[in-house]
Amino acid sequence: EVQLLESGGGLVQPGGSLRLSCAASGFTFSSYAMSWVRQAPGKGLEWVSSVSGSGDSTYYADSVKGRFTISRDSSKNTLYLQMNSLRAEDTAVYYCAKQIGGSSFFDYWGQGTLVTVSS
Amino acid sequence: QSVLTQSPSASGTPGQRVTISCSGSTSNIGSNIVNWYQQLPGMAPKLLIHSNNQRPSGVPDRFSASKSGTSASLAISGLQSEDEADYYCAAWDDSLNGVVFGGGTKLTVL
Repeated sequence: EVQLLESGGGLVQPGGSLRLSCAASGFTFSSYAMSWVRQAPGKGLEWVSSVSGSGDSTYYADSVKGRFTISRDSSKNTLYLQMNSLRAEDTAVYYCAKQIGGSSFFDYWGQGTLVTVSS
Repeated sequence: QSVLTQSPSASGTPGQRVTISCSGSTSNIGSNIVNWYQQLPGMAPKLLIHSNNQRPSGVPDRFSASKSGTSASLAISGLQSEDEADYYCAAWDDSLNGVVFGGGTKLTVL
């Protein structure tokens, strides 16, 4: 059974940093691209970033480029999102998702972790 | 403003058929597969339709989807109360080099 468990969310001040983790199980982690998708309170889904199965290729939404870094550790079956220079508009539930190919096909999602950026 | 355009809301009575549309452009829907997600209240999104019109195992055949040109649509027949949810379309965008979502359609079962 595929499981994705996010952690690391919380309250952070504007300009601060936070690292999210997503522990994966139930599939061969290194064989699949992974992504982060976020949802601001009361708003729709917004893709944040993707990383290839090997970790060699990364992609970012313009809204986070230069501030967020996606990475993965296949020895720990864990996906990460390092978030720096956080802004109020980054406040959202962050979901990790298992991705099929380089597409918008996300076949499994985690339960999400809430990030609140506020002073 | 989302890159993919969806009507904000849709509604129907139990047993009816409803359609949700998703409009994009040649750089996204026009050249890549469309996927649909269902988000029940307070829950994480769930894959509903992949590869334009394929249902994952476990998704009832009441749900169907199609794509034509730069638009896609999701149809739900035999509407049930448990179908009340937000529905999102998504596609890869070749110009943005990333995934784009529709703004979501809130389906109300009257």
